[in-house]
Amino acid sequence: NAGVTQTPKFQVLKTGQSMTLQCAQDMNHNSMYWYRQDPGMGLRLIYYSASEGTTDKGEVPNGYNVSRLNKREFSLRLESAAPSQTSVYFCASSELGYAGYTFGSGTRLTVV
Amino acid sequence: KQEVTQIPAALSVPEGENLVLNCSFTDSAIYNLQWFRQDPGKGLTSLLLIQSSQREQTSGRLNASLDKSSGRSTLYIAASQPGDSATYLCAVKPGNTPLVFGKGTRLSVIA
Repeated sequence: NAGVTQTPKFQVLKTGQSMTLQCAQDMNHNSMYWYRQDPGMGLRLIYYSASEGTTDKGEVPNGYNVSRLNKREFSLRLESAAPSQTSVYFCASSELGYAGYTFGSGTRLTVV
Repeated sequence: KQEVTQIPAALSVPEGENLVLNCSFTDSAIYNLQWFRQDPGKGLTSLLLIQSSQREQTSGRLNASLDKSSGRSTLYIAASQPGDSATYLCAVKPGNTPLVFGKGTRLSVIA
């Protein structure tokens, strides 16, 4: 099925470990996004890529890095995980301009 | 900074009732507004997308309206069913920056 695919679906990390969350879309969308969702906080933007070759910080970028590998793939890296990064991470994509967003099913990350 | 508020935070209704979920935003300069549904432990499913030039959109039993000048949108669900139980999220697109989300309304429809 066409859409946004995130891997892994679940992950447990120890404090200080690193990992990369993967996201791929097959809808030929130009823009891609990473959000985190925490209880009582709603969804907050971490980083986004308006088009291939560009990335910008969102509301909560500290502790994260991103790579827009090509038009299909946008990865999120935690260099040194902290318990405060325990969250559910969602990747989304959209066309430029007026189109709606399509979301992946999320990665549930626990940092102990 | 754009802020999105959804009221109520939680709602419980008996099956068959018509209901309205509210969304307000602080800056009326938006490109569009999107309503999503989220089931527990799942991702977000897009329900309706309203462009800034539109007043409403309909899909089946769902109708979303947009009053940009007053910074408000409503999601109307007709003849609610237990399968409608989920969290409903409102998000606005403020110009060339990404979607800004409200915290959602958790809906329970009781059979």
